[in-house]
Amino acid sequence: KNEVEQSPQNLTAQEGEFITINCSYSVGISALHWLQQHPGGGIVSLFMLSSGKKKHGRLIATINIQEKHSSLHITASHPRDSAVYICAVRSPNYGGSQGNLIFGKGTKLSVKP
Amino acid sequence: EAQVTQNPRYLITVTGKKLTVTCSQNMNHEYMSWYRQDPGLGLRQIYYSMNVEVTDKGDVPEGYKVSRKEKRNFPLILESPSPNQTSLYFCASSPDRGLYSNQPQHFGDGTRLSIL
Repeated sequence: KNEVEQSPQNLTAQEGEFITINCSYSVGISALHWLQQHPGGGIVSLFMLSSGKKKHGRLIATINIQEKHSSLHITASHPRDSAVYICAVRSPNYGGSQGNLIFGKGTKLSVKP
Repeated sequence: EAQVTQNPRYLITVTGKKLTVTCSQNMNHEYMSWYRQDPGLGLRQIYYSMNVEVTDKGDVPEGYKVSRKEKRNFPLILESPSPNQTSLYFCASSPDRGLYSNQPQHFGDGTRLSIL
């Protein structure tokens, strides 16, 4: 059983398309993170959410605490957005690792020119 | 520049030969963590440290050791590496691990280990 599920696993889009990546979780959380992993392997933090919506450039992240669901949207996608996007939650009641991050398996996005 | 530095970036070695992957951060962060990333499994936590001399097991600690003698350094030690430890490893740090922390984690660039 995965506490954090992402969909889709793989996504191919044409340049310019609007992209949505979904994250559902089954545990109570205090925060949700969206991470981006570049093809070279490096990981950067995009957003951290505990409620509502955040926007940074062409990226928008939303979270619905009641539905235990978050979405990452990319507007006007570009080939440089090609990466693996990872959802992670911080939970106060997950096993013995209280407060540590629980990761989804990632969504591999490929944007074609 | 604020960063988490891991070394080496790539290593191919043989079963049973002790190795250490170093991790250093220059942000005075209290919390540091090691993860491994495997295809189809995502990121899994190996060990974490809340502060100097305070370390604890994550989800997959078997076969690994860590130490936190100084705030900036958090080395990962494989005393007797085995092929199932072939993986991509990440070190990360953040100011704290508080349940309601609003601080993101900063990740190193990763270390790709191959154990033959």
